[in-house]
Amino acid sequence: SAVISQKPSRDICQRGTSLTIQCQVDSQVTMMFWYRQQPGQSLTLIATANQGSEATYESGFVIDKFPISRPNLTFSTLTVSNMSPEDSSIYLCSVGEGAAYEQYFGPGTRLTVT
Amino acid sequence: DAKTTQPNSMESNEEEPVHLPCNHSTISGTDYIHWYRQLPSQGPEYVIHGLTSNVNNRMASLAIAEDRKSSTLILHRATLRDAAVYYCIRPTDSWGKLQFGAGTQVVVTP
Repeated sequence: SAVISQKPSRDICQRGTSLTIQCQVDSQVTMMFWYRQQPGQSLTLIATANQGSEATYESGFVIDKFPISRPNLTFSTLTVSNMSPEDSSIYLCSVGEGAAYEQYFGPGTRLTVT
Repeated sequence: DAKTTQPNSMESNEEEPVHLPCNHSTISGTDYIHWYRQLPSQGPEYVIHGLTSNVNNRMASLAIAEDRKSSTLILHRATLRDAAVYYCIRPTDSWGKLQFGAGTQVVVTP
């Protein structure tokens, strides 16, 4: 299975600023996904990021707030823009592999907005 | 509708088997069933997936009902490390997009 790393592992940011989270995979993958996990909640899918095409956002998430880049088959970034305390969450990336596109997750980025 | 239904929580004693049920009554013939778990303070971890036949791997077994409307994840000998939230999920598209529900909190007691 793919090995996924994320940077930073955690950060504390001031409201109104932006943070870019990096997701690096040790092999080439087609499907990458970004999730948010708010405190005490389950995961919510933000968007699907395929290389060579625009990211596809889920209901409630917009590109201006969460711009995503996917420059190649091993890397993606998620930016959380104009942050507010409500953006305090764990952000996770994952990749889909295999016939059933089972997903493998990165360790997450814990974001706190003050 | 890719909804699945799981109990909120289950308890087990260490070294005993754990059977985690999942209902997916609206499943179609080509939908896979995926199971993931999330240990405290970690990202989700893939456990197993299946389509029609029962499946085994080093982590668990997956028993799928003949009508495919339900499945059961089996942890053969629970350890304290198996305490986690377990998610039963049907991908919502052919590319494996996942919608996580609340899952089942498994508590393992020594």
